[in-house]
Amino acid sequence: DIVLTQSPALAVSLGQRATISCKTNQNVDYYGNSYMHWYQQKPGQQPKLLIYLASNLASGIPARFSGRGSGTDFTLTIDPVEADDTATYYCQQSRNLNTFGAGTKLELK
Amino acid sequence: EVQLVESGGGLVQPGRSLKLSCAASGFTFSNYYMAWVRQAPKKGLEWVATISTSGSRTYYPDSVKGRFTISRDNAKSSLYLQMNSLKSEDTATYYCARPEYSEGYFDYWGQGVMVTVSS
Repeated sequence: DIVLTQSPALAVSLGQRATISCKTNQNVDYYGNSYMHWYQQKPGQQPKLLIYLASNLASGIPARFSGRGSGTDFTLTIDPVEADDTATYYCQQSRNLNTFGAGTKLELK
Repeated sequence: EVQLVESGGGLVQPGRSLKLSCAASGFTFSNYYMAWVRQAPKKGLEWVATISTSGSRTYYPDSVKGRFTISRDNAKSSLYLQMNSLKSEDTATYYCARPEYSEGYFDYWGQGVMVTVSS
């Protein structure tokens, strides 16, 4: 199984940059694509797709969100952070079936 | 507008069965793989099952393989999850989700339905 590791929480100030990491125990690249995706989930709501294939912005997602990485190391960046961004962020790999990271809770300082 | 609406959740005793449904609209259901993802209270997301467009291929993680069965009715634009031999650790909100076929990300999610396994 591919295991995804995320830090449990991150606190940032409004207007600053938030960088959330996701590390995998196996390479999730395949034929030029990185099968890593990012979601935002607010309390009581379903997850929302933010980034697909490591760096592609999903429809309707503001350009403050960006993703990068390849192989086993990936990051989601929010710059600048707004109050509405407080949520839990999950990474997901689809290289081999599907697994999710445990989530990173983003809070404001 | 894509809509996924789950139903069928509730309280069930350990060892019993329950069947969830998901009504899809706003897209050509038969052209898409479909999936279930669950989330235990205060926990993270866990993929539960995926089914191909025709229903001929299904995929499960080890945690539910042999107990859960995903199925679909393309004529009714509906997805199902039959859950047997339920355990307390199956207590979760179950989301119906649409995975992009070749790349595997979930671009649409339902609101979720709660399943509680308890005596």
